[in-house]
Amino acid sequence: DVKVTQSSRYLVKRTGEKVFLECVQDMDHENMFWYRQDPGLGLRLIYFSYDVKMKEKGDIPEGYSVSREKKERFSLILESASTNQTSMYLCASSRGGTYRLEIREIQYFGAGTRLSVL
Amino acid sequence: GNSVTQMEGPVTLSEEAFLTINCTYTATGYPSLFWYVQYPGEGLQLLLKATKADDKGSNKGFEATYRKETTSFHLEKGSVQVSDSAVYFCALSDMDSSYKLIFGSGTRLLVRP
Repeated sequence: DVKVTQSSRYLVKRTGEKVFLECVQDMDHENMFWYRQDPGLGLRLIYFSYDVKMKEKGDIPEGYSVSREKKERFSLILESASTNQTSMYLCASSRGGTYRLEIREIQYFGAGTRLSVL
Repeated sequence: GNSVTQMEGPVTLSEEAFLTINCTYTATGYPSLFWYVQYPGEGLQLLLKATKADDKGSNKGFEATYRKETTSFHLEKGSVQVSDSAVYFCALSDMDSSYKLIFGSGTRLLVRP
């Protein structure tokens, strides 16, 4: 089974702190994603990465950055946390471009990190 | 742009009742369509998918048919169980980028014994 592991289930941080959310996948997937999940808004893509050191902005990248130094690890960084970044953060991974589209389209999710910024 | 609209929840049913969760989409081209499920305290997992018009995806007693004429992908189950209580997300693949999925807002299902 694919396993996507997020380092923390719950985090409480203060406004202005630098926050790191870590995600590791064990299936050698090329693509990795960070979403935030808010009630009534579903999942919104923050950033994704299709290879080591490669990244692209998603729909709501403002206030976030990412790092992918190794294939299995994708970090989300809140440079200066704000209260409006209180949310559930979900990491996902999927196969990359050499696979058939029907394989690439399936994303595997971690259990999520619930972040509260006070 | 591409988008997915789901019925608002929560949906509350008694065990063994029939379930329908509506999903409609707006998209250019012919995206694949998905239902993901999120059980309490867990991440999302793929429930079923359909890749072209008139395809039916099915899994664990759930079904959904890709209806191009009505741009819909409604989720159905004939007899729900308490263990089906979860949040269900409809999604489509972004044809401009095969990396990306576009999700609906989610529908919470609560099944009472």
